[in-house]
Amino acid sequence: QQQVKQSPQSLIVQKGGISIINCAYENTAFDYFPWYQQFPGKGPALLIAIRPDVSEKKEGRFTISFNKSAKQFSLHIMDSQPGDSATYFCAASMRSGGYQKVTFGIGTKLQVIP
Amino acid sequence: DAMVIQNPRYQVTQFGKPVTLSCSQTLNHNVMYWYQQKSSQAPKLLFHYYDKDFNNEADTPDNFQSRRPNTSFCFLDIRSPGLGDAAMYLCATSVRGSDTQYFGPGTRLTVL
Repeated sequence: QQQVKQSPQSLIVQKGGISIINCAYENTAFDYFPWYQQFPGKGPALLIAIRPDVSEKKEGRFTISFNKSAKQFSLHIMDSQPGDSATYFCAASMRSGGYQKVTFGIGTKLQVIP
Repeated sequence: DAMVIQNPRYQVTQFGKPVTLSCSQTLNHNVMYWYQQKSSQAPKLLFHYYDKDFNNEADTPDNFQSRRPNTSFCFLDIRSPGLGDAAMYLCATSVRGSDTQYFGPGTRLTVL
């Protein structure tokens, strides 16, 4: 059962444009929603994260919008740059016995073209 | 720099030949995780350690085992690799109670 649905699976955006990636979750026990950025040949790295009591979080050009009632959240990348080209994973996690059990979305491969 | 290190970065093994992947960390984190990431798929948690306490995910095949001899090191043993085990294997760490996981660069396993 895919508990975190992510779309689109691939995205091409012009330099300077806005990249938008959407995710939806099912389990209301999730209490932390991170986004990871993964470059080819590298492990995922935490980009930005949000908790469900906040509707929006912004860090530089990256913004998470969170809709708790709809169980949806999205990543917006403003002024997208070629260096942003990577695979982005949304995730949802819950505390389980002292550790965070993370469920990842399928990933979105973003390509920013000049 | 403190980090999560995985060796080797690329591993080729033969069908059925046991293989061991290594992870080390200088972050002194007490939780270590192993994930399997197949091509164009999301990382999937195999198991994790809190200190020396081992926690297996319910759907992790018996073919996968792990050892954590000390805080810094964790090993993934695949006893009899099949073609379906070809994947990127990611190690991650976290502090117990923290939400953030720190990932290593991964080991890409090829099974011939």
